[in-house]
Amino acid sequence: AQSVTQLGSHVSVSEGALVLLRCNYSSSVPPYLFWYVQYPNQGLQLLLKYTTGATLVKGINGFEAEFKKSETSFHLTKPSAHMSDAAEYFCAVSDSGNTPLVFGKGTRLSVIA
Amino acid sequence: KAGVTQTPRYLIKTRGQQVTLSCSPISGHRSVSWYQQTPGQGLQFLFEYFSETQRNKGNFPGRFSGRQFSNSRSEMNVSTLELGDSALYLCASSSTPTSYNEQFFGPGTRLTVL
Repeated sequence: AQSVTQLGSHVSVSEGALVLLRCNYSSSVPPYLFWYVQYPNQGLQLLLKYTTGATLVKGINGFEAEFKKSETSFHLTKPSAHMSDAAEYFCAVSDSGNTPLVFGKGTRLSVIA
Repeated sequence: KAGVTQTPRYLIKTRGQQVTLSCSPISGHRSVSWYQQTPGQGLQFLFEYFSETQRNKGNFPGRFSGRQFSNSRSEMNVSTLELGDSALYLCASSSTPTSYNEQFFGPGTRLTVL
C-alpha cells in the first residue's frame, strides 16, 4: 500500500526566501504524485501533479516539484516566498488510476514579513 | 462554472444523533469523493462514487455511508455520532473516476459533536 510522509508539520520562511516543502512516498508501482494547497476555511486546490513524462513539474503560483524515483521524493519548491503563500500544503500519492489518493499529514507554511 | 458546493457549512450535533451532509459537484462531473479531515489524522478517504455506484471505500465503520443520485449530487450519512466524528468533511468532484485527474474540492462541512 502506498503512503506519504511530509517532513515538518510547520515551516516558517521570510518573505522573498526559498520555500522547500518535503515529501517522500512509498509505492510498489510508478506513482502518480500531487501537491494540494489549502487556505483557511477553504477546500483543497491542486498546485501541480506528476503522472508520467518530465520529472520537473511546474504548477500554479510559481511552485514546482521534482519527481526523484531514486530518492522516492517529490519536494515542492518556490524561489521566492510571498505573504499570500501562507497556507497548508498536502502531498498525495496514488499507485494507479483506480485507487484513491493517499494524503500526507500536511505542512503549514508561515511567511514572515 | 460554479464550483463544488457543500451544505451545510457548519453543523453541531450531540452524541448518538445522526447527520446527513450534501455535496453538489461541478456541472458535468460524475465522480464524487468524500474525505474526513482532522488535526490528528489529516485527510482520510471515506468513499468514492461514480455514476451512482460506489467504486472505493476507505477504512471507516459502517456508521459512515453515502450515496449518489442520478444528477451526480452526493450525500453522506453518519449514524450514532461519536465525539471522534468531529471533523471537517470535504467533498471533491472530478470528470472521471481515475485518480490521476484533478479533484476539485468544496469548502467542507465542519461537524462538531458534543
